[in-house]
Amino acid sequence: DGGITQSPKYLFRKEGQNVTLSCEQNLNHDAMYWYRQDPGQGLRLIYYSQIVNDFQKGDIAEGYSVSREKKESFPLTVTSAQKNPTAFYLCASSDRTRDQPQHFGDGTRLSIL
Amino acid sequence: RKEVEQDPGPFNVPEGATVAFNCTYSNSASQSFFWYRQDCRKEPKLLMSVYSSGNEDGRFTAQLNRASQYISLLIRDSKLSDSATYLCVVRKNTNAGKSTFGDGTTLTVKP
Repeated sequence: DGGITQSPKYLFRKEGQNVTLSCEQNLNHDAMYWYRQDPGQGLRLIYYSQIVNDFQKGDIAEGYSVSREKKESFPLTVTSAQKNPTAFYLCASSDRTRDQPQHFGDGTRLSIL
Repeated sequence: RKEVEQDPGPFNVPEGATVAFNCTYSNSASQSFFWYRQDCRKEPKLLMSVYSSGNEDGRFTAQLNRASQYISLLIRDSKLSDSATYLCVVRKNTNAGKSTFGDGTTLTVKP
């Protein structure tokens, strides 16, 4: 089945540690996105990529990094510089054709140990 | 002022009721509009796109008012399974697909 796969589902980070969240899609979508959602809040854009080897900062990029070496993959690294990483992280993808909606993976919950 | 604003609710309605949500957006250059549904601790799922002429999908009707810069979602004959948070999404297609999400409106349908 086509879709977006995020892993792991749950992740724990120690102080000073970098962790990487995986996002893979087999929908042949050009565009991919990372969002953060805090409890009771909306989605905030961290990074997005419209094409391989290119990505742009979203509204809250500080403390995060991404890469887009393959069309199917858009991993997110939460660095030790992100002081409040506990949140629900959602990856999405979409076709670049005008008016196409984003489709989401089922998310990764990150907590600090 | 937020770029996309929704009444957070919660809206508590009995089964069978009709309920409507509004969402206002501030950027007149916005081109694409969507409603998503998000269940507790789950990912958002596309409910419907919103077209200029308005559109309907079963019990759900979406409308767009460009002059007043708002979109609406009407749910008729509410079911218990409609209980969720409904997210309004606005996109400026000239901005390479970047979308802005509202904070969501929570609906609880009670027996």
